Amino acid sequence: NAGVMQNPRHLVRRRGQEARLRCSPMKGHSHVYWYRQLPEEGLKFMVYLQKENIIDESGMPKERFSAEFPKEGPSILRIQQVVRGDSAAYFCASSLAGGENQPQHFGDGTRLSIL
Amino acid sequence: QQPVQSPQAVILREGEDAVINCSSSKALYSVHWYRQKHGEAPVFLMILLKGGEQKGHDKISASFNEKKQQSSLYLTASQLSYSGTYFCGTGNAGNMLTFGGGTRLMVKP
Repeated sequence: NAGVMQNPRHLVRRRGQEARLRCSPMKGHSHVYWYRQLPEEGLKFMVYLQKENIIDESGMPKERFSAEFPKEGPSILRIQQVVRGDSAAYFCASSLAGGENQPQHFGDGTRLSIL
Repeated sequence: QQPVQSPQAVILREGEDAVINCSSSKALYSVHWYRQKHGEAPVFLMILLKGGEQKGHDKISASFNEKKQQSSLYLTASQLSYSGTYFCGTGNAGNMLTFGGGTRLMVKP
């Protein structure tokens, strides 16, 4: 499968635990975007990364959330000390190049549930 | 500020046409259209860049009016497979896209 791969598909955490969401972009893509989607709502931009660099994190909460895209391996979205309000679907997308004129291809998402 | 999509929901019979609109309060440099089925990933449909262009493939096309800061998606002779939620994502000369709230389309036999 050469598409965007996200894992896990479903993740359940208790309040206060940490959640780690992984995203492997399409082959050849070095630009990764993370979005959050609440039920029946649109996609909210969180962060845009290019290999080893955070390009734009204006949509990501300043506390408890962090993202990385190391030279080797998948991009990771990390949520520390999760709260009920973090429950959502988190989608990753990748593009061949950066910029708004590039199509973004989405993974199947990780559905995070906080107990 | 996110773009506004209208209508919020539409129900069609197979073979009917639909138009989905996307309006922004900011200057637009690009508009992306995606379709998402329940529980699945958004699927890229097309991208339009500023210049008033119109694009299409098969029976789905779109227009982009830069001056009016809006785009429209046209679905003609709708098929059952067109059902889903359609999102527009707007680019405003930056790296990120801002997505609208979606338009839920249901096509019935």
